[in-house]
Amino acid sequence: EVQLMESGGGLVQPGGSLRLSCAASGFTFRSYWMTWVRQAPGKGLEWVANINQDGSERQYGGSVKGRFTVSRDNPKNSLYLQMNSLRAEDTAVYYCTRDPYQDESGSYYFGAFDIWGQGTTVTVS
Amino acid sequence: DVVMTQSPLSLTVTLGQPASISCRSSQSLVYSDENNYLNWFQQRPGQSPRRLIYKVSNRDSGVPDRFSGSGSGTDFTLKISRVEAEDVGVYYCMQGTHWPYSFGQGTKLEIK
Repeated sequence: EVQLMESGGGLVQPGGSLRLSCAASGFTFRSYWMTWVRQAPGKGLEWVANINQDGSERQYGGSVKGRFTVSRDNPKNSLYLQMNSLRAEDTAVYYCTRDPYQDESGSYYFGAFDIWGQGTTVTVS
Repeated sequence: DVVMTQSPLSLTVTLGQPASISCRSSQSLVYSDENNYLNWFQQRPGQSPRRLIYKVSNRDSGVPDRFSGSGSGTDFTLKISRVEAEDVGVYYCMQGTHWPYSFGQGTKLEIK
């Protein structure tokens, strides 16, 4: 079964750090872009960051640029989000998603996140 | 950055009746390959989001054919031909044509 499972959330003080993890299973992890999306309490979805298959390309949303770092470990089928200088407004459920981005034929699928994890909750207070 | 604007933000529909959600972008979503990278996601209460439709009108496997997507450029629509109880939730459009990607605010669908 294709699955993503986030972990590492918790309560942290403003200015603190936290590292989220996402364990992938059931698919060839190294073949996919991966993305983090977050959702503040009672709010909508916000794209946070993504990373290409070998980690050589990374993009960040404006609200987290310079504070968050996305990385991956393909042999461990794992995606990470290192969050530094945390603020109250970073409080959210963080989802790990699979990003098809481009298939073998060269067709693009920008933003078409097809698999989502159950989310991990980060509270900055 | 591209701003995605959905309307309405809230929708109450009688079972079996149609529903329509509009999504407008502040810039054209036509990419250099002439595709529009506009996707729709559904988030049922207490669940993670789920992709419904990608590239405007391509329905995911397992998504009922009562869901359809259309549009091009800056104007897109998600339609549900006959709303069922399981359709309750929040629907988000999301553009992937321009960095950074951006979601609409979400449209909450309830049953009357």
